[in-house]
Amino acid sequence: GEDVEQSLFLSVREGDSSVINCTYTDSSSTYLYWYKQEPGAGLQLLTYIFSNMDMKQDQRLTVLLNKKDKHLSLRIADTQTGDSAIYFCAESSSGAGSYQLTFGKGTKLSVIP
Amino acid sequence: DVKVTQSSRYLVKRTGEKVFLECVQDMDHENMFWYRQDPGLGLRLIYFSYDVKMKEKGDIPEGYSVSREKKERFSLILESASTNQTSMYLCASSSHLTSGDYYEQYFGPGTRLTVT
Repeated sequence: GEDVEQSLFLSVREGDSSVINCTYTDSSSTYLYWYKQEPGAGLQLLTYIFSNMDMKQDQRLTVLLNKKDKHLSLRIADTQTGDSAIYFCAESSSGAGSYQLTFGKGTKLSVIP
Repeated sequence: DVKVTQSSRYLVKRTGEKVFLECVQDMDHENMFWYRQDPGLGLRLIYFSYDVKMKEKGDIPEGYSVSREKKERFSLILESASTNQTSMYLCASSSHLTSGDYYEQYFGPGTRLTVT
């Protein structure tokens, strides 16, 4: 079945760049996603990338996709304390009448002031 | 704005009790999901439903059941709560995917359940 792997923790200093990495196994995924979970809250879609793209930029966020290696990364420029959260990589799959998401275990980003 | 609400933020129950977790969405979504979230294990899908009265098992359905009598409401039931069901429970909803569109699930704030 599908599997999504990411490291569990990342610690960076405020103002530095953060890079969160993810590997996935389902080569048929049309889109790949990054979700953010702030403390005490549910997950929220942060950004996504279409599988035929290599890069997507959205303000301080840059998503890089290496389809050959099935590697996805999320770069946050000028990381702020408000970026402290858990970041989940996800891929979508279809089955049983519905699309589903397969999530990685989540990377907890801690920003040191 | 899409809103997914869960009946309780925190819940404490005793072993053996029957527990109901309620989830309501206001966007007329066809699909609804229940996950549990545990440190180091990420999100694991318990059950999902793609239509009223329809349900499908996820990756860890044992010890749980669900009910979807109305489109907007999806309930998770723990028939006899056990301590290993202490966890954060997250509900989500989504519309059916339109061809070529990206797919988004909308999450509620979660219910932290403690079984003692």
